[in-house]
Amino acid sequence: NAGVMQNPRHLVRRRGQEARLRCSPMKGHSHVYWYRQLPEEGLKFMVYLQKENIIDESGMPKERFSAEFPKEGPSILRIQQVVRGDSAAYFCASSSSGRNTDTQYFGPGTRLTVL
Amino acid sequence: DQQVKQNSPSLSVQEGRISILNCDYTNSMFDYFLWYKKYPAEGPTFLISISSIKDKNEDGRFTVFLNKSAKHLSLHIVPSQPGDSAVYFCAASEGTYKYIFGTGTRLKVLA
Repeated sequence: NAGVMQNPRHLVRRRGQEARLRCSPMKGHSHVYWYRQLPEEGLKFMVYLQKENIIDESGMPKERFSAEFPKEGPSILRIQQVVRGDSAAYFCASSSSGRNTDTQYFGPGTRLTVL
Repeated sequence: DQQVKQNSPSLSVQEGRISILNCDYTNSMFDYFLWYKKYPAEGPTFLISISSIKDKNEDGRFTVFLNKSAKHLSLHIVPSQPGDSAVYFCAASEGTYKYIFGTGTRLKVLA
């Protein structure tokens, strides 16, 4: 399967724990985007990364959230000291370039539940 | 401030008939629009896109219409099939990678 891969698909954390979400882009894609979907809402842009660089993190909360896309391995979205309001579906997308006309292809998502 | 709005949360259509999903936007600088389909517990799947220099784009059963003066976008599915039952999201961008999504319309195609 050459599509965007995300793991885990489901993640349960207690308040105060850390959540790590992983995303492997589609083969040949070096541009990765993270979106969050709260219940009954659309997807909201969080961060855009290229290999080893954060290009735009304007949609990411300033505290507790961080993202990386190392030279080797998947992109990681990290949420420290999770709170109930972090419960959501987190989707990763990838594209071949950063142009808006190069379609972003989405992974299956990680559903985070904070108890 | 919701820049992309899908005012119909749900829509039911008989199999074989036309499904029309609507989307309105407020930002006149949006220049690229997309429709994604999403099944439960899956990620959004790209369907069709349109640039602001066009007013129509067609791909098989799916046609997207863009009315820039009305800031309105619609997706037509003809003929509708039960497998089309899903949530449909429209998205827009202002020349950048940052897609702004609507809240989705749940389509149910009745056999």
